[in-house]
Amino acid sequence: DAGVIQSPRHEVTEMGQEVTLRCKLISGHNSLFWYRQTMMRGLELLIYFNNNVPIDDSGMPEDRFSAKMPNASFSTLKIQPSEPRDSAVYFCASSLVNSYEQYFGPGTRLTVT
Amino acid sequence: GQQVMQIPQYQHVQEGEDFTTYCNSSTTLSNIQWYKQRPGGHPVFLIQLVKSGEVKKQKRLTFQFGEAKKNSSLHITATQTTDVGTYFCAGRGFQKLVFGTGTRLLVSP
Repeated sequence: DAGVIQSPRHEVTEMGQEVTLRCKLISGHNSLFWYRQTMMRGLELLIYFNNNVPIDDSGMPEDRFSAKMPNASFSTLKIQPSEPRDSAVYFCASSLVNSYEQYFGPGTRLTVT
Repeated sequence: GQQVMQIPQYQHVQEGEDFTTYCNSSTTLSNIQWYKQRPGGHPVFLIQLVKSGEVKKQKRLTFQFGEAKKNSSLHITATQTTDVGTYFCAGRGFQKLVFGTGTRLLVSP
């Protein structure tokens, strides 16, 4: 099993640009989580889905952030427009709904200048 | 909202010394998980505790869930340089998992 796959691994962009982060779940998993990690705020849950349905998006910072699951195995997190304070490592994680154990991807390091 | 704090934030030990990190939740938890994140890596699941007062061991690691299900601890006996990383607890309250602030462990040979 390849594990959770994220792309790109690194992204450098200018303020105001649109950024799209991608995540492929582990085959058979049906829960998907997006996290953001910074030194100041630690590991924050942004949003999670069960069976493609968003369950809790209370962690999404503001309307500039949006997340989708177009199918059962793939998700995107979009930031439009990006700002320097969005610079962070973004992780996605997947699990089985009844398992609770989350498998994290390698993360995308985003730098907004 | 639910908050999960860990102490200490950082600890530097000599190889062979013991290490303990403590996790405290503002609310009662249904279960608690522990993760390890190596420098530059991603969190990796270690274990889940569910029952009040539960104690589990993984080799040199001992995990404990408090009687009131609001706190937990991770103890490492005789640390090794491979133990370096940040240890997170993650508590599940009503629905979602809330990660603690993490304890960064540095082990000197």
